[in-house]
Amino acid sequence: AQSVTQPDIHITVSEGASLELRCNYSYGATPYLFWYVQSPGQGLQLLLKYFSGDTLVQGIKGFEAEFKRSQSSFNLRKPSVHWSDAAEYFCAVGGPDAGGTSYGKLTFGQGTILTVHP
Amino acid sequence: GAGVSQSPSNKVTEKGKDVELRCDPISGHTALYWYRQSLGQGLEFLIYFQGNSAPDKSGLPSDRFSAERTGGSVSTLTIQRTQQEDSAVYLCASSPSSAGGIYGYTFGSGTRLTVV
Repeated sequence: AQSVTQPDIHITVSEGASLELRCNYSYGATPYLFWYVQSPGQGLQLLLKYFSGDTLVQGIKGFEAEFKRSQSSFNLRKPSVHWSDAAEYFCAVGGPDAGGTSYGKLTFGQGTILTVHP
Repeated sequence: GAGVSQSPSNKVTEKGKDVELRCDPISGHTALYWYRQSLGQGLEFLIYFQGNSAPDKSGLPSDRFSAERTGGSVSTLTIQRTQQEDSAVYLCASSPSSAGGIYGYTFGSGTRLTVV
């Protein structure tokens, strides 16, 4: 079964500092990987996704993520954090199920809450 | 519609009562998903509808939970005899095809359910 681990429940950074949020996945085949962001009282918004090819993926709001197959990781990064980036971030994995018959579901990590200090 | 719409946005109910949560997906999206988000628990898959296929109900936590999707569009999640542990945010998402696990979903803003 596929699973996602986000080791950090809560991260605090200063505005302007760099950011890296960790994500490790478990999946039996080539994964499809996603990062979503959830602002308070809102639904989840897609930041970026990885299918194949270039392992460094660019997303919205200046975020990027790097797929490292050898480490089963898909960490999210931003070079300079803005106060508006304070939110909860979710990593997710998708792809065909064990039978290869369904591609429908995403499995999410438990989320990382980002606090930004001025 | 322009986005995934969920109603109500907030619901407070008494323990033991039944509740219905509604989701209106993006027009033309054939796949619809329900997830539950509890404090500190991440997103828990509940159920998945794809076109006219039988829904994937593998995530429903008990027989008190059920969902239907009428006309391939609007979906209703029903929780019978609510318990305090049902308190959570219920999120609906839709996807333009059966490959939501590949292309990702569009989420609604959720319904916050509080059972008192």
